[in-house]
Amino acid sequence: DGGITQSPKYLFRKEGQNVTLSCEQNLNHDAMYWYRQDPGQGLRLIYYSQIVNDFQKGDIAEGYSVSREKKESFPLTVTSAQKNPTAFYLCASSIDGDTEAFFGQGTRLTVV
Amino acid sequence: DAKTTQPPSMDCAEGRAANLPCNHSTISGNEYVYWYRQIHSQGPQYIIHGLKNNETNEMASLIITEDRKSSTLILPHATLRDTAVYYCIVRVGTGRRALTFGSGTRLQVQP
Repeated sequence: DGGITQSPKYLFRKEGQNVTLSCEQNLNHDAMYWYRQDPGQGLRLIYYSQIVNDFQKGDIAEGYSVSREKKESFPLTVTSAQKNPTAFYLCASSIDGDTEAFFGQGTRLTVV
Repeated sequence: DAKTTQPPSMDCAEGRAANLPCNHSTISGNEYVYWYRQIHSQGPQYIIHGLKNNETNEMASLIITEDRKSSTLILPHATLRDTAVYYCIVRVGTGRRALTFGSGTRLQVQP
């Protein structure tokens, strides 16, 4: 099946630890995105990438890092510098950034 | 990207049409109107988008006013599975190619 896969669905980490969220797509899309969603709120853009080996900060990039070494993969690292990391994280992709985006099912991260 | 205004919540009876309004009075000529929906605890799902003309697909219809300052998403025969948060997003066709989400409208379809 073609689509976007985020893993794991639920993730628990201790405060102060870095954690990496996986996002893989087999849609051959150039553009990929990471969003964060807090309860009852809309999505906020963390990072986006239009092409391999290139990415841009979104609105709330502080405390996060990404890489885009392969077209199909766009992992997000939540670092210990992120003050409130507990949230629902969503990855998306689109063909070229100008067309509609397809979203994964999300990773719910809880930091205790 | 232009800001959008949506009612926070709406109810609709099952089988009836659901009409979800969106105000985007500051929209500029090269900005598209996109609609997505998010069912609880899932990733958002693309519904439809348009620039000037009304659009229809298998999921919904999008009606954009002539001055483009507002639009309406129409779900012709709402079902319980259409209960979700619906986001109206205005985005330029080029430049920063990422969607900016607001708070959306929570649509509750009642049996």
